[in-house]
Amino acid sequence: AQTVTQSQPEMSVQEAETVTLSCTYDTSENNYYLFWYKQPPSRQMILVIRQEAYKQQNATENRFSVNFQKAAKSFSLKISDSQLGDTAMYFCAFIRTDKLIFGTGTRLQVFP
Amino acid sequence: NAGVTQTPKFRVLKTGQSMTLLCAQDMNHEYMYWYRQDPGMGLRLIHYSVGEGTTAKGEVPDGYNVSRLKKQNFLLGLESAAPSQTSVYFCASSYGGRWGQPQHFGDGTRLSIL
Repeated sequence: AQTVTQSQPEMSVQEAETVTLSCTYDTSENNYYLFWYKQPPSRQMILVIRQEAYKQQNATENRFSVNFQKAAKSFSLKISDSQLGDTAMYFCAFIRTDKLIFGTGTRLQVFP
Repeated sequence: NAGVTQTPKFRVLKTGQSMTLLCAQDMNHEYMYWYRQDPGMGLRLIHYSVGEGTTAKGEVPDGYNVSRLKKQNFLLGLESAAPSQTSVYFCASSYGGRWGQPQHFGDGTRLSIL
């Protein structure tokens, strides 16, 4: 079975600081894809970043970057220079072929 | 840019009533999905479709039916609503999972069953 685990139900960070959200997953496959989605209070699901498992290089999108450790099956999200608008639920997700498997989410609160 | 549109956005039903949630996408995506989101459980896949006329079961399919008669539409039906089906429902679409194409989500439907 493929599972995704987010062990931090809630986190908080001060504006302009850096925060890292953890995610681990379990799979026997070698080629797959990983995502981080953001869900603000508006309830929209917004794609933050995508990582291909066969690529060694960590994905980055502006202030968002990942630390992908394939052997450890770890996929953490780093948010630099946190902004109030980053306050949201963050979901880690794993996909192979047709289906996305989501973690249970981390609620991030950014304080001024 | 419409993207993925879900209707309705809110609905309250009584136990035993039936209803259909509509999902429409204008991105010519082959794959479409229905999820439910419950507190503390993330999103769980109910049913999905890999193309017009096809459907498949996801993780939590019981009590739901789906149809994909047109490529752009994916309908989720509740034949006899139960309080356990109170949830937020999300539709998503993508070009497909083989190459890790990201899924695009609708804004969700909040459904309450009394």
